[in-house]
Amino acid sequence: GAVVSQHPSWVICKSGTSVKIECRSLDFQATTMFWYRQFPKQSLMLMATSNEGSKATYEQGVEKDKFLINHASLTLSTLTVTSAHPEDSSFYICSASDNYEQYFGPGTRLTVT
Amino acid sequence: LAKTTQPISMDSYEGQEVNITCSHNNIATNDYITWYQQFPSQGPRFIIQGYKTKVTNEVASLFIPADRKSSTLSLPRVSLSDTAVYYCLVGDMGGTYKYIFGTGTRLKVLA
Repeated sequence: GAVVSQHPSWVICKSGTSVKIECRSLDFQATTMFWYRQFPKQSLMLMATSNEGSKATYEQGVEKDKFLINHASLTLSTLTVTSAHPEDSSFYICSASDNYEQYFGPGTRLTVT
Repeated sequence: LAKTTQPISMDSYEGQEVNITCSHNNIATNDYITWYQQFPSQGPRFIIQGYKTKVTNEVASLFIPADRKSSTLSLPRVSLSDTAVYYCLVGDMGGTYKYIFGTGTRLKVLA
């Protein structure tokens, strides 16, 4: 099956700094990618839909200036958490679509100290 | 966007068959039903997908009644490694459909 990777798998950053998470579709082209956030013991919450070459569509309540999404190519989308704070600590998961199915990445654990 | 409802948690013993039912009363004509499995600190993993009647693969079966307002994931002879959260999702086959995750079912398999 199709493979989606995320980098890094975990990251620790200091409060106030920015951190970038990459999502790559390794063996297919993804016109659409999705970003989710998951807090401990909770379900996945959709943050935004990322389309190659256009602006991301954010879900209600998600700050677009804080969570910057760039989908510059058909195999790469990035999520940048700007001015991170401890409450942004979470598990971030992306999924990529080949227009038939969605494939999920392994997730990135972000800890803000 | 179809909303799904599942039991929050279930316990089972090794070797038993586990059935997890999902309600999706507002499922649309074009929607498929997909089940994912998630282990702690990992992304969801595809288990099975179906549109109607019964689908079976090497790890699970999916039963969908004629009205498609519910579905049941069946895991035969579970083992400890099947302890995970199972999510039922509905959406059209096109991959651009955004999934809205429900609570999922936390399955705990006991020895």
